[in-house]
Amino acid sequence: NAGVTQTPKFQVLKTGQSMTLQCAQDMNHNSMYWYRQDPGMGLRLIYYSASEGTTDKGEVPNGYNVSRLNKREFSLRLESAAPSQTSVYFCASSEGGQAFYGYTFGSGTRLTVV
Amino acid sequence: QQPVQSPQAVILREGEDAVINCSSSKALYSVHWYRQKHGEAPVFLMILLKGGEQKGHEKISASFNEKKQQSSLYLTASQLSYSGTYFCGTSLSSNTGKLIFGQGTTLQVKP
Repeated sequence: NAGVTQTPKFQVLKTGQSMTLQCAQDMNHNSMYWYRQDPGMGLRLIYYSASEGTTDKGEVPNGYNVSRLNKREFSLRLESAAPSQTSVYFCASSEGGQAFYGYTFGSGTRLTVV
Repeated sequence: QQPVQSPQAVILREGEDAVINCSSSKALYSVHWYRQKHGEAPVFLMILLKGGEQKGHEKISASFNEKKQQSSLYLTASQLSYSGTYFCGTSLSSNTGKLIFGQGTTLQVKP
């Protein structure tokens, strides 16, 4: 039982390059989330998908786009990477889009933009 | 609005107790607690809901004071394995699963 799988685990980009972070869950969860984690700032929500076919902005959506490809997969795209997007990115899923379901997190993608 | 956690860091000896607080300026529907070990993903501990009871199992428990909009995480008789960073995540409504996380509290348990 893999849970939430993120790829890649590490990535170095040059400023202006684009890339897509992949996330897949095998728990039949309805809701999925993308967070970024920076030192001293906790986890900040970038985008989320309450259910298949829906996406919505979080606290820090600028510079990112998302696609909920199907129930299992939720990808995050950086169209033109900037050094300010250097961070650790976590994907998470929950059984439903209500506040009483806990999250299962993936192992993270450590992204460096130079 | 991001909830505020206190203290920012705490160092304990094995067997000692700790309390971590999470405060919000807005009315909360739920508070989640997660623990993250260095270089790993956060792991879910428990949820407290508005109007719900204090939660916990064995030596880790939590409470939710609706009047103060504050949740407290209690770690009793700390073990080395309790070391890590603890995050609270808050939700203002039952209709959304999105959480706003605090900045984290780093707990170090020494032998």
